[in-house]
Amino acid sequence: EIVLTQSPGTLSLSPGERATLSCRASQSVSANFLAWYQQKLGQPPRLLIYGASNRATGIPDRFSGSGSGTDFTLTISRLEPEDFAVYYCQLYDSSLFTFGPGTKVDIK
Amino acid sequence: EVQLVESGGGLVQPGGSLRLSCAASGFTFSTFWMHWVRQAPGKGLVWVSRISSDGSIIDYADSVKGRFTISRDNAKNTLDLQMNSLRAEDTAIYFCTRGSYRFDCWGPGALVSVSS
Repeated sequence: EIVLTQSPGTLSLSPGERATLSCRASQSVSANFLAWYQQKLGQPPRLLIYGASNRATGIPDRFSGSGSGTDFTLTISRLEPEDFAVYYCQLYDSSLFTFGPGTKVDIK
Repeated sequence: EVQLVESGGGLVQPGGSLRLSCAASGFTFSTFWMHWVRQAPGKGLVWVSRISSDGSIIDYADSVKGRFTISRDNAKNTLDLQMNSLRAEDTAIYFCTRGSYRFDCWGPGALVSVSS
């Protein structure tokens, strides 16, 4: 079973700054099956990125995804006040779905 | 508008049973794989189970295998999760979500609390 690790656990930044979030898989995976979600307190998750680099419908272009193999990155180019939230990566592999533990982006 | 709404959550004693339902609207339910994902209080997301669009393929996380049963009714646009032999560690918000390899629409969730 593939394990996803996210770093850092918490990222403290100011609005307007750039956020770089990492998701690492315990073995090489297909980028086609790597997604990123945003979750705000008391809300369900929202799909941001699928296939490692494709923005979901309605997602602003300040969000971008990249990576391959075992290392994937979610970048928020300029943080807006509404971007402070928890971000999860998610993988589909061999009929199982795995989420990373999450990265909290909070206001510095 | 695409919408998923869970119902059936509540407080149940350890060893008890509960049935969650998810009502879907705004899309062709019968063409989508559907899933349950849960989130314990203050914790991360954990995938629970999935069912194919026609109900012929079903998978479960090891933690619920043999205790939970997923099902769907494409005529009524509903997804169900029958939960038996509930344990304290099953306490969580349960989300209904759709998709094949990613989850592009989520319900608000239903809280299941297992406690004596």
